[in-house]
Amino acid sequence: GAGVSQSPSNKVTEKGKDVELRCDPISGHTALYWYRQSLGQGLEFLIYFQGNSAPDKSGLPSDRFSAERTGGSVSTLTIQRTQQEDSAVYLCASSPPGQVGHEQFFGPGTRLTVL
Amino acid sequence: KNQVEQSPQSLIILEGKNCTLQCNYTVSPFSNLRWYKQDTGRGPVSLTIMTFSENTKSNGRYTATLDADTKQSSLHITASQLSDSASYICVVSAGGGSYIPTFGRGTSLIVHP
Repeated sequence: GAGVSQSPSNKVTEKGKDVELRCDPISGHTALYWYRQSLGQGLEFLIYFQGNSAPDKSGLPSDRFSAERTGGSVSTLTIQRTQQEDSAVYLCASSPPGQVGHEQFFGPGTRLTVL
Repeated sequence: KNQVEQSPQSLIILEGKNCTLQCNYTVSPFSNLRWYKQDTGRGPVSLTIMTFSENTKSNGRYTATLDADTKQSSLHITASQLSDSASYICVVSAGGGSYIPTFGRGTSLIVHP
């Protein structure tokens, strides 16, 4: 079946603009994660969705970042008033329902460049 | 604070040679440890998973080991191929209801012909 997909694959924007990044998880996966990967750095957790529960937003770096997940499936990460330090690869991952530590299936990422 | 440290940061080897990547963690309580492979421009893909009771797990030419007492893991790659060039990421999940794993920064492996 289809894996996790993300769009766009690349996004170049000007400082101060808003951007929306989209993630389509694997069908049936209840858990969805957003991560940020800066050059030479490890994956930085941003936000976690699990079913209909309230999301864990503890990793969002500022109030310019927000995310939603509609109907328990597609998720959108929004960055308002982008800054140059927001430039990074944004990865989405989904996991099947069940116990903690299930394999995360990652999308190819969206490379965001803020000029 | 939960941490995962990987070494070396980068490694260059010749095709056909073996190599071993290291991972030390302080995640507690421990649930499981995964090694992921991330090709350039792609998302990470899981290679192996190990729980507390397992001390070795193989996936083709990849063999992972786990010493839960010393909180160390290694990933051994045998007879390396050019396609093994990638970043290898150690990821540790905690028990006790935590659902956010801790990621290492990865080891960048380059295999030269």
